[in-house]
Amino acid sequence: SQTIHQWPATLVQPVGSPLSLECTVEGTSNPNLYWYRQAAGRGLQLLFYSVGIGQISSEVPQNLSASRPQDRQFILSSKKLLLSDSGFYLCACRTPIYGYTFGSGTRLTVV
Amino acid sequence: SQQGEEDPQALSIQEGENATMNCSYKTSINNLQWYRQNSGRGLVHLILIRSNEREKHSGRLRVTLDTSKKSSSLLITASRAADTASYFCVKETSGSRLTFGEGTQLTVNP
Repeated sequence: SQTIHQWPATLVQPVGSPLSLECTVEGTSNPNLYWYRQAAGRGLQLLFYSVGIGQISSEVPQNLSASRPQDRQFILSSKKLLLSDSGFYLCACRTPIYGYTFGSGTRLTVV
Repeated sequence: SQQGEEDPQALSIQEGENATMNCSYKTSINNLQWYRQNSGRGLVHLILIRSNEREKHSGRLRVTLDTSKKSSSLLITASRAADTASYFCVKETSGSRLTFGEGTQLTVNP
C-alpha cells in the first residue's frame, strides 16, 4: 500500500525566514499529490495539488509555493514566512487503487 | 463552494453512549468520507460511502447518506475514551477534489 513520509513534525521559524517542507510517497507511482493547511480548530484547506512532475495548481493566493521535482516528491516552500503562515500542514496523495492517504503533518509556528 | 456544514461543532458524552455527528453539503458528490484526527495530527480514514449507497457499517461505526437531503451522519456506538478526537466529513467531487468540513470535536468522558 502507499505510504507518505512528511517531515519535520514540528517547526518553529522566525518571521521572514524561508520554509521548506518535504513529502515523499512510497508504494505507488504517478500519484496525485496535495498540500493542505489547517488553521487552529478549523477544517483543512487545499493549498496546492499536482497531477504530475512539474505540474502544480494553486488553490488560494498566498505566500507559499509548491514544487514536484520527482514523481513521488512534493515540496512546500516560502521565501519569507509571515505570522499568518502558522498552522498545521498535511501532505496527501491519491491513486485510483489506494484512494487517499495523508501524511502525519507538520505543525509550523511562525514567531 | 462545497464547504461542508457539520454539526455539532463539539460533542461531549460519557463512555458507553452513542455519538452522532452530521454533515451537509451543497452540490453533487462522488462520495463522502469520514476521517478522524487526534490533536492536530494526521488524518485517519474511517469510512467511505459512495453516492449510490445509503448506509455502511464498519465495526462500531455506521454512516448514512441521504442524497435527497444532501446530508450524512456518522454514528459511533458504545463510545470509548479513546474515541476522543476531531471527526471530519469530507466530500469528494469531480476531479477527485476533497472538501473538508470544519469538523466535530468529540470528547468521550471515562
